[in-house]
Amino acid sequence: NAGVTQTPKFQVLKTGQSMTLQCAQDMNHEYMSWYRQDPGMGLRLIHYSVGAGITDQGEVPNGYNVSRSTTEDFPLRLLSAAPSQTSVYFCASSYEGTPNTEAFFGQGTRLTVV
Amino acid sequence: AQKVTQAQTEISVVEKEDVTLDCVYETRDTTYYLFWYKQPPSGELVFLIRRNSFDEQNEISGRYSWNFQKSTSSFNFTITASQVVDSAVYFCALSEDRDDKIIFGKGTRLHILP
Repeated sequence: NAGVTQTPKFQVLKTGQSMTLQCAQDMNHEYMSWYRQDPGMGLRLIHYSVGAGITDQGEVPNGYNVSRSTTEDFPLRLLSAAPSQTSVYFCASSYEGTPNTEAFFGQGTRLTVV
Repeated sequence: AQKVTQAQTEISVVEKEDVTLDCVYETRDTTYYLFWYKQPPSGELVFLIRRNSFDEQNEISGRYSWNFQKSTSSFNFTITASQVVDSAVYFCALSEDRDDKIIFGKGTRLHILP
């Protein structure tokens, strides 16, 4: 079982560039979410989705867009990259359409914006 | 608003010592869920436990145990006879039944010294 797959694992962007971080899960999970992890800040929720066609903002949504056209995929788009978006990004999914069950995380994407 | 506090930023203990990681939470909801996740040096996030607000029974899993006390809004994690492989960052998290967000604490970095 693949679980939650994130691509790419590493990325370097120039300020102002845009890109999409991919996240796919093969467990038919309804709930998917994106987090960023910064030193001393823990995991902060960027956006989440309770099912296909439904997305909502988390704690730190500015500068990011998401869409959920299928149950499997939940891409995260950086519209115009800024150095403040240098971080490790994690995608996760959960069984139900809520975050109230065990989350399965991807391996993470380390993004550097120069 | 929900909040999770892990006051211990970093802890170092010698192997075989017991260690307790503290987690204090804030919520106005009567139905909520508490979690612990482990992030070893390799970077992946691993689920350890989930507890709902109606189940205050302490849980033991091998060398790991969790103490949930609603009276003090705490959900502490104890490792007995610690081992070097327990070295990791540990995150406590909270989700509320009335909300679709999960909030993580900032994490506690645990060093087990040989």
